[in-house]
Amino acid sequence: DTGVSQDPRHKITKRGQNVTFRCDPISEHNRLYWYRQTLGQGPEFLTYFQNEAQLEKSRLLSDRFSAERPKGSFSTLEIQRTEQGDSAMYLCASSSTVSSVDTQYFGPGTRLTVL
Amino acid sequence: AQTVTQSQPEMSVQEAETVTLSCTYDTSESDYYLFWYKQPPSRQMILVIRQEAYKQQNATENRFSVNFQKAAKSFSLKISDSQLGDAAMYFCAKRMDSSYKLIFGSGTRLLVRP
Repeated sequence: DTGVSQDPRHKITKRGQNVTFRCDPISEHNRLYWYRQTLGQGPEFLTYFQNEAQLEKSRLLSDRFSAERPKGSFSTLEIQRTEQGDSAMYLCASSSTVSSVDTQYFGPGTRLTVL
Repeated sequence: AQTVTQSQPEMSVQEAETVTLSCTYDTSESDYYLFWYKQPPSRQMILVIRQEAYKQQNATENRFSVNFQKAAKSFSLKISDSQLGDAAMYFCAKRMDSSYKLIFGSGTRLLVRP
């Protein structure tokens, strides 16, 4: 079990550019979550998938944000026309419906800096 | 709105001593799950301990234990025999039975003095 992986670990971009992050969940985990964490705060939920279906989205997920999980394995999170307020750590987590508790296991995150 | 409150921005403990981190939450549900996660500096978040609300017995994992008071909506974490490696941000989180998203508190930074 290799854990949740995220790529890239760091991304610096200029305002107005598009960025895409990737998350690979723990194998056999069918739920995948995205969170955003700003400095000194706890993570905030963005969206989650069960298999390939996106089942819940936060109002934080503006129309500039889109997430996909096309084959129910890895997921991508794209931010279009980035703004300085998008600077944050983007965390991915995965869990399994086999477990009744459905504990979420987190990846190392992608730190986004928008200049 | 569902909220999780950690009222201690920072706590300090002497190595080998015991420290308790506080967490309170808001909920209208009877079934839910509570978690403590640890986030070391520049490292990923890891699960410390979890508690199912329907279980009256407090969860324990080695040096970590919780004091779950359902009526008071309180879920504190006790760390015994503190070690230097325990220094990190600690986040309390809640998951409702009707949704899979986690709602996190703002965190408590734990400092461990050698």
